[in-house]
Amino acid sequence: SAVISQKPSRDICQRGTSLTIQCQVDSQVTMMFWYRQQPGQSLTLIATANQGSEATYESGFVIDKFPISRPNLTFSTLTVSNLSPEDSSIYLCSVDRPNYGYTFGSGTRLTVV
Amino acid sequence: AQKITQTQPGMFVQEKEAVTLDCTYDTSDPSYGLFWYKQPSSGEMIFLIYQGSYDQQNATEGRYSLNFQKARKSANLVISASQLGDSAMYFCAIRRRDDKIIFGKGTRLHILP
Repeated sequence: SAVISQKPSRDICQRGTSLTIQCQVDSQVTMMFWYRQQPGQSLTLIATANQGSEATYESGFVIDKFPISRPNLTFSTLTVSNLSPEDSSIYLCSVDRPNYGYTFGSGTRLTVV
Repeated sequence: AQKITQTQPGMFVQEKEAVTLDCTYDTSDPSYGLFWYKQPSSGEMIFLIYQGSYDQQNATEGRYSLNFQKARKSANLVISASQLGDSAMYFCAIRRRDDKIIFGKGTRLHILP
């Protein structure tokens, strides 16, 4: 099974700043996914990161707020920009294992003050 | 559009008893996959079990089994002989036609000693 290293595990950021989250996978994967989990809520898909092309965003999420990079088949970053307290959430990256769903990183717990 | 419904926001169960967590789904896709994930307080997402829509038998993984009733669009998770370590959030999810996964709101399970 794929192993995903996600960092930072947590951070406290000032409003108006940005946080970049990194995910490294131990094998090449075609698609990487980024989720947000607001406090007490379920997971919501933000976008799909594709190597060599623009990320595809779900309804309600825009590139200016959540820019994503995917420079190769094992690595991706998600930036949460212009932070506000409403961005306080857990952010998770994941990769698809056919017939078994997604394997997730350990998550990044972001607190905006 | 695909939809997952988990009607039990929280459950309290005595240790060693069996637990059934409810999940119903809605999809127009002829082929789909259903998943259950566990999220302990640490925040990580742990894959538990998978059921394909064309699988003839209900999936089982150790103490976990999936009670799949296709006509009723139901995919309940059964945990046998519950343990204190089973206390966590549990999410039911369905794979979308574009291979992305949509999660239900989750059920918080408390195992009582």
